[in-house]
This record gives sequence, structure tokens and C-alpha cells, in this order.
Amino acid sequence: GQQVMQIPQYQHVQEGEDFTTYCNSSTTLSNIQWYKQRPGGHPVFLIQLVKSGEVKKQKRLTFQFGEAKKNSSLHITATQTTDVGTYFCAGPNSWGKLQFGAGTQVVVTP
Amino acid sequence: DADVTQTPRNRITKTGKRIMLECSQTKGHDRMYWYRQDPGLGLRLIYYSFDVKDINKGEISDGYSVSRQAQAKFSLSLESAIPNQTALYFCATSDRRADTGELFFGEGSRLTVL
Repeated sequence: GQQVMQIPQYQHVQEGEDFTTYCNSSTTLSNIQWYKQRPGGHPVFLIQLVKSGEVKKQKRLTFQFGEAKKNSSLHITATQTTDVGTYFCAGPNSWGKLQFGAGTQVVVTP
Repeated sequence: DADVTQTPRNRITKTGKRIMLECSQTKGHDRMYWYRQDPGLGLRLIYYSFDVKDINKGEISDGYSVSRQAQAKFSLSLESAIPNQTALYFCATSDRRADTGELFFGEGSRLTVL
């Protein structure tokens, strides 16, 4: 069955630095979604990408969908303490239901 | 007030006990879901419902059952809880009319089975 994998599992970042987290699917995806979960909180929708090669920006966050629609990335520039949390990608599986990756837990050091 | 409300928020129970987690929503969405979150495993779908008369198993439905009492209410039951069902459970909703399949999550219910 489909697998959605995220790397790295943990990301320690110095405040002000940039980092990227990656999401890879074993199958082609019709779309991919990204969610953020703050510590002790619930997942919150960030964005959905649909088109091959699509790039979308939200302030310091840049989301990209690969040309083959099997991978995606989230790049954060000038990391702030408010970026702390776990970032999940999710893509629809063969029955159309969202399958989540294991997430990238981001820790920001002041 | 939260649009998706889960009760209880925390529950400690013993092996073999029956447990019900409840979810209600005021978003008017037709689709509701139950997910389970374990460290390092992300979110896994237990059951989902697209309307009151529609119930579907997700990837990890064994040991769980659900009831869609109304469009706004979707409850998850553990008939005989076991320790490996200790996890954080999330209810979520989505709107079939939306451009995206965005999920709206509740605050979560942390269940500990001793």
C-alpha cells in the first residue's frame, strides 16, 4: 500500500536559520496537504498543493510539490520560536482518504 | 468555543473497560473522522463517516467501533480497552463542498489504558 514518509523525524534549528523538511510518497499523489501541530495542540491545516511543480508561499514558509507529484517539501526561512511544532504532510491513498506521514518535530533554539 | 469538541479530554481506564469518546461539531460539515496519534507514527485513520447513514473502516479499525448519532455527532467506542490503545485520539471534520479536503481537528482526547 501507499506509504508517506517524512524526513527528518527531528529538526533542531537555531533561531534565524533556515531549514527544509521533506515528504516522499511511494505512489503518485493527486494532491498533498501540510499541517502544523503545536506542542500540546491539534493539527492545523496549512496548505494544499495540487499541480505538478507547484510552489506556494506563506510568509516565511515555502511549499513545493514535485514534478512527479510523489514528493513535497516545506522550507522555512529565518526560523522563529513560533515555528516550534510538528509538521505533517498528508496525501490521499487509494481509497481517497488522507494518509499522514510521521511528521517532522521542529525544536528552535533561541 | 471550539468548532469541533471532544469529550473527555483526558481519561485513564483499566484493561477490559468499555470507553466512549465523543465528538460534536458546529461547523455544519457532513464528513467526520476519528484518528489515532502515536509518537513517531503520525495520524492513523480509525473510522470515517460521510453522512449519518455512512460508516467506513479506516486503516486501524480493529478493537474500535463508531456511531454517527447525528450529522454533528460522531462517537468512538473501545468495547474492551487494552494497553496498546493508549494514545491521543483526534476527531476531525471536513466539508465535501470545499475546494480542498482540509481537515478540522478537535482538541484531542488522551486515553491511558492501564
